[in-house]
Formats: sequence, C-alpha cells, structure tokens
Amino acid sequence: GQQVMQIPQYQHVQEGEDFTTYCNSSTTLSNIQWYKQRPGGHPVFLIQLVKSGEVKKQKRLTFQFGEAKKNSSLHITATQTTDVGTYFCAGRGGGATNKLIFGTGTLLAVQP
Amino acid sequence: DAEITQSPRHKITETGRQVTLACHQTWNHNNMFWYRQDLGHGLRLIHYSYGVQDTNKGEVSDGYSVSRSNTEDLPLTLESAASSQTSVYFCASSEGQGTYEQYFGPGTRLTVT
Repeated sequence: GQQVMQIPQYQHVQEGEDFTTYCNSSTTLSNIQWYKQRPGGHPVFLIQLVKSGEVKKQKRLTFQFGEAKKNSSLHITATQTTDVGTYFCAGRGGGATNKLIFGTGTLLAVQP
Repeated sequence: DAEITQSPRHKITETGRQVTLACHQTWNHNNMFWYRQDLGHGLRLIHYSYGVQDTNKGEVSDGYSVSRSNTEDLPLTLESAASSQTSVYFCASSEGQGTYEQYFGPGTRLTVT
C-alpha cells in the first residue's frame, strides 16, 4: 500500500538555526498537506500543496512539492522556540485512494 | 464557534473490556475520521465515514468498530480492549473529500492494563 516516509524523526537546533524536514511517498500524490502538533496537543493544518513543483511560504516557513509529486519539504528559517512541535506531512493518492496517509512526523526541539 | 470534541480525554481500562470513545463535531462536516498515534508510527487511520450510515475500514481497523447514525457523531468502539491498543486516539473531520483540510479533536489517551 501507499507509504509516506518522513526524515529526520527528530531534530534538535539552537534558536536561530534553520530546519528542514523531508517527506517521501512510495506513489504519486494528488496533493500533500502539512500539519503541526505542539507537545500535548493535536495536529493543526498548516498548508496544502497541489501542483507539481509548487512552492508556498508562510512567514519563515517554506513548503515545496516535488516535480514528480512524490516528495515534499518544509523549511523553517531562523527557528524560534514557538516552532517546537512535531511536523507531519500527509499525502493523498489519486483516483479511488482518497484518504490522507500521514508521515511518521519530525519532532523539532529548539534550544533558546 | 464550531468545534470537534472528544470524550473522555483520559481512560484506563482492563484487557478484555469493551470501550467506546466519543467524537462530536459541530462543523456539520460529512467526513469524519479516527486515527491512533503511536511513537514512531505517526497517525494511522482506523476507520472513517463519508456520511450518515457510511463507514469504512482504515489501515489498522482490526479490533475497532464505528457507527454513524447522525452527522455530528462518530463513536469508536474497542470490542475487547488489548494492551496493544494503548495509544492516543484522535478524531478528525473535514468538509469534503479531495483537497479539504482535516480538523482534529483534542485526543483521548487510552491505557489498557
């Protein structure tokens, strides 16, 4: 079945450093979503990418969707302590496979 | 404001007991989902529903069941709780299929002893 892998599983950075998490799917995706989960909280939707090669920015966060629509990345510039949490990608297959398949997540720790 | 709630927030039960976790949303969304979250596995889909009387199995449905008798509620039942079902359970809803984002409830932490 469809699998979505995410690396790294854990990243510890100093405040002000950059951070990137990568998401790879075993199959072509119709779209990909990114969610953030604060410690002890629930996942919260960040953004959705639909087009091949699409790049979207939200302040210090940059999201990319690969040309082949099988991979994606989230890059945070100059991390802040408020960025702490687990970032999940969630891919949706095309056609009859309409469910979101979540990646394993990347836990980001930011040291002040 | 519309919201999605789960109850109880914490539950401890014994092996073999039947347990039901409640999920209630006031978004009037047709689509509802149940996930479990375990370290190293991310969020795995248990069951989902695209509308009243519609239920479907996800990737880890064994030992779980759901029913959808109205738009607002999708209770998750563990028929005979097992220690392997100790997890955090999240309910989610979305407006439609395809490109719609999912809204998650606060989660239920279930411990099976």
